[in-house]
Amino acid sequence: SQQGEEDPQALSIQEGENATMNCSYKTSINNLQWYRQNSGRGLVHLILIRSNEREKHSGRLRVTLDTSKKSSSLLITASRAADTASYFCATDIEGGSEKLVFGKGTKLTVNP
Amino acid sequence: DVKVTQSSRYLVKRTGEKVFLECVQDMDHENMFWYRQDPGLGLRLIYFSYDVKMKEKGDIPEGYSVSREKKERFSLILESASTNQTSMYLCASSQMGGYTIYFGEGSWLTVV
Repeated sequence: SQQGEEDPQALSIQEGENATMNCSYKTSINNLQWYRQNSGRGLVHLILIRSNEREKHSGRLRVTLDTSKKSSSLLITASRAADTASYFCATDIEGGSEKLVFGKGTKLTVNP
Repeated sequence: DVKVTQSSRYLVKRTGEKVFLECVQDMDHENMFWYRQDPGLGLRLIYFSYDVKMKEKGDIPEGYSVSREKKERFSLILESASTNQTSMYLCASSQMGGYTIYFGEGSWLTVV
């Protein structure tokens, strides 16, 4: 079962520009997380936002959460070529187990 | 740092072979996961274990089994490999109630 869906599927920008990725989900959640995956590697946790939070920052990352719309966005400011990767949102299910359900990801390419 | 180690990075197996994918984590995490990642389908959960000898089926358990005899080790077993099981397999672990999942580097399995 796919809980989160990222949009767009692919995004290509120039270095220095901002990159925005969106995630929509279907059921009520406790938390939403964003992960990054470099090509052919494992996923790395970036940031977690709880259902009672609306915005969270970590370095050049800004995450927002709108539980009324069941959506989240990840903003990467002043992007660098090294930000080139796939980005996934992951949600738990409110009242459910500790399994996370991942979306299909947004593939970000930052051109130097 | 949390380390999740997958024993094989690349494997090539023949149809009908029994395949073992091994995963070890060094942070005393209660939860361990096996995901499968395919282009266009994102990450799909195969099995989840929340304690030694305890397991739950994920979204796509058919054709797979798991073993967790020790807390730090979680094995994925393909009883009779088929070509449609050619994929990247990702192992992960997390603390009980910890939310963040830590991934291994992935195992690329090709079944010929």
